[in-house]
Amino acid sequence: EADIYQTPRYLVIGTGKKITLECSQTMGHDKMYWYQQDPGMELHLIHYSYGVNSTEKGDLSSESTVSRIRTEHFPLTLESARPSHTSQYLCASSEIRTSSYNEQFFGPGTRLTVL
Amino acid sequence: GIQVEQSPPDLILQEGANSTLRCNFSDSVNNLQWFHQNPWGQLINLFYIPSGTKQNGRLSATTVATERYSLLYISSSQTTDSGVYFCAVPQGGSEKLVFGKGTKLTVNP
Repeated sequence: EADIYQTPRYLVIGTGKKITLECSQTMGHDKMYWYQQDPGMELHLIHYSYGVNSTEKGDLSSESTVSRIRTEHFPLTLESARPSHTSQYLCASSEIRTSSYNEQFFGPGTRLTVL
Repeated sequence: GIQVEQSPPDLILQEGANSTLRCNFSDSVNNLQWFHQNPWGQLINLFYIPSGTKQNGRLSATTVATERYSLLYISSSQTTDSGVYFCAVPQGGSEKLVFGKGTKLTVNP
């Protein structure tokens, strides 16, 4: 079944730890995105990718980094987590070669808490 | 950049009631999406609706692109409709979505 997967769903870690949030999709989409959402607030784009070896920063400044080595995989890494990184991180993907131009589909999200 | 405003910010209904949520945007767009964020945080796609009207069960949406607004209608609301409803439009003709602040809907039994 075509879907977007994120792991872990919940993560509680201490300050200074390196973490990687996983995102993979079986939608066959070229484009992938990472959004950050604080509780009760709107989503903000932090990273996106048009395809393999393509990564761009979004509108919201983030200390995280991303990579796109495989079409279906778009992990996000924080080298040294801080309490200010506490948030929900949502991964999305889209396909431009359809009649629904850039319709984005979202994974279930990762709730990150940094103590 | 493009601005997206949603109203009302909060809405409380009794089960069975109908409601209309509004999304205004400040510039021309070539697509618009409505999402429902459930209590577990997942965003569910409701409609991709750059213009016109679409219906899916008890939900329907209308976008009037020339007047820069979209409406989401929920009829015969159920407690499972509770959550936050977001609209999102692309930034400046790009693929980057800009989200409104959402409408928090609470449906009481």
